[in-house]
Amino acid sequence: GENVEQHPSTLSVQEGDSAVIKCTYSDSASNYFPWYKQELGKRPQLIIDIRSNVGEKKDQRIAVTLNKTAKHFSLHITETQPEDSAVYFCAASLNDYKLSFGAGTTVTVRA
Amino acid sequence: NAGVTQTPKFRILKIGQSMTLQCTQDMNHNYMYWYRQDPGMGLKLIYYSVGAGITDKGEVPNGYNVSRSTTEDFPLRLELAAPSQTSVYFCASSYAGLSTNEKLFFGSGTQLSVL
Repeated sequence: GENVEQHPSTLSVQEGDSAVIKCTYSDSASNYFPWYKQELGKRPQLIIDIRSNVGEKKDQRIAVTLNKTAKHFSLHITETQPEDSAVYFCAASLNDYKLSFGAGTTVTVRA
Repeated sequence: NAGVTQTPKFRILKIGQSMTLQCTQDMNHNYMYWYRQDPGMGLKLIYYSVGAGITDKGEVPNGYNVSRSTTEDFPLRLELAAPSQTSVYFCASSYAGLSTNEKLFFGSGTQLSVL
């Protein structure tokens, strides 16, 4: 099955700086890569996703890049704000029903 | 729309007890899923369903059972609770499969402790 590794496990950034989280996946057939944000005690919320026919996608301060050859994808958050503090999960899917999740990155934005 | 609704929010079970985690969605979604999230870990798929009357195992199905008698409901049953089943359980749904342009919507979770 698919194996997704996520780094780093924790990330502390100064408010206004950028944050980058990287994930690698094992199965080259994976074709859908979502990112979820989970605040403490809350449900995961989809923040951005990318499919394998696209190399980069942006939504305001958030962007995701995908390198299919290297089998890795990254989340970039620019101009970080305190409300960006949360746990972020990457995931990869190679079929209709199964998402394989990374272990998560705890992001802390220091004011 | 309420979205995906899970009950209960919290539960403590004794070893060997049984319980059913309820999940219902009002978005007319065909696909429904149960995930568990252990501390400091990502989500693992327990069971999924692609429509009423159809269920299948995910990555970690042992110790659980599901049914899908209606489009709206997808309950998860624990028959003989064990400490290893202490986790946060999330139900999720999507209109179609992930290879289409569909997104996954999560419920608010059930925190289960087995003591």
